[in-house]
Amino acid sequence: DVKVTQSSRYLVKRTGEKVFLECVQDMDHENMFWYRQDPGLGLRLIYFSYDVKMKEKGDIPEGYSVSREKKERFSLILESASTNQTSMYLCASSLESDSPLHFGNGTRLTVT
Amino acid sequence: RKEVEQDPGPFNVPEGATVAFNCTYSNSASQSFFWYRQDCRKEPKLLMSVYSSGNEDGRFTAQLNRASQYISLLIRDSKLSDSATYLCVVNKVNDMRFGAGTRLTVKP
Repeated sequence: DVKVTQSSRYLVKRTGEKVFLECVQDMDHENMFWYRQDPGLGLRLIYFSYDVKMKEKGDIPEGYSVSREKKERFSLILESASTNQTSMYLCASSLESDSPLHFGNGTRLTVT
Repeated sequence: RKEVEQDPGPFNVPEGATVAFNCTYSNSASQSFFWYRQDCRKEPKLLMSVYSSGNEDGRFTAQLNRASQYISLLIRDSKLSDSATYLCVVNKVNDMRFGAGTRLTVKP
């Protein structure tokens, strides 16, 4: 079974802080993704990566950056957290470009 | 127009009922299709992939109609444990598009 692990289930940060969300997958998947999910808006893609050191912007990259130094790890960085970044953040991975996504159990971030 | 559209529901059905969800998509170049299930405050989990020929997994049947650009999910003999939000997902080469989800509640 694919295991995607997100480092924190719940985080509370202050406005202006730099926030790191970590995600690790153990199935040697090529592709990794970061989404946020908000009520009424569904899942929205922030960034994805199809290879080490490669990254592509999703639909809402503003205010975020990512890092993929190793194949199994994909980090999401909030450079200066703002209250509108309070959300559920979901990391996912997939084997190939047309394969289903496997999600981590999410990080619920609150920015105060 | 949204790329993937679902009826948000809620669908409230009694145990044992048959319920069907539809999902329409706008990008005709979409290549792969999935249904996910999401429980409250949990991550989405893959329910089943959807193939052109249709596919069945126990009480669940998924179908794809490329000409009309929709996918469907049929749940037979609903159980209380089927209560969840069902997300349809449409993919065009690493471009996964999620529907907003259809909420299902199965009541005793």
